[in-house]
Amino acid sequence: AQKITQTQPGMFVQEKEAVTLDCTYDTSDPSYGLFWYKQPSSGEMIFLIYQGSYDQQNATEGRYSLNFQKARKSANLVISASQLGDSAMYFCAMREMNTGNQFYFGTGTSLTVIP
Amino acid sequence: DVKVTQSSRYLVKRTGEKVFLECVQDMDHENMFWYRQDPGLGLRLIYFSYDVKMKEKGDIPEGYSVSREKKERFSLILESASTNQTSMYLCASSLRAGRAGELFFGEGSRLTVL
Repeated sequence: AQKITQTQPGMFVQEKEAVTLDCTYDTSDPSYGLFWYKQPSSGEMIFLIYQGSYDQQNATEGRYSLNFQKARKSANLVISASQLGDSAMYFCAMREMNTGNQFYFGTGTSLTVIP
Repeated sequence: DVKVTQSSRYLVKRTGEKVFLECVQDMDHENMFWYRQDPGLGLRLIYFSYDVKMKEKGDIPEGYSVSREKKERFSLILESASTNQTSMYLCASSLRAGRAGELFFGEGSRLTVL
């Protein structure tokens, strides 16, 4: 079974609008971390936001927030007030804290911001 | 400023050549990883290392080997490059298992095998 699933290969959003990128995960480890990365066309992977499985509140970092629904095993990224520079690939990832060293990645979502 | 540095951004090699991709991190991280990224497939783990001289196979180790002689350096080796190894290669590092923290990436090495 896939550890991380991103079902949206491509998304479009109007500049200044909000957009939600979906991510679901699968784990039996009660302690885990969820991550979102941005990859612009230059290729570098930029860390955006982190959510721990025991965190009570949804993580926020500037215009990025993580909609964490533990029972549904979903960790959607919300980008508010989209900017042209937000056009990039976005990857969701998970690390199981007790069971190993690996980070599991989804296949990514390509976001295009339309002026 | 913490850094993961990959030796080459772009490489062009011929089929059958031996290829070395070098990665150095300055964060004293225990774990280091090599990923391959192809369109539509996301990031696939080739090998990772959790300590000096230790290595574990990831999802797609065939055709690759790795070396970790020092904590800060993790090398990916293609013994005999083939055209299907044309890809973007990403090196990353993190703290060891059980310790929170994200994965830090290098800038990537885009390899073309002719």
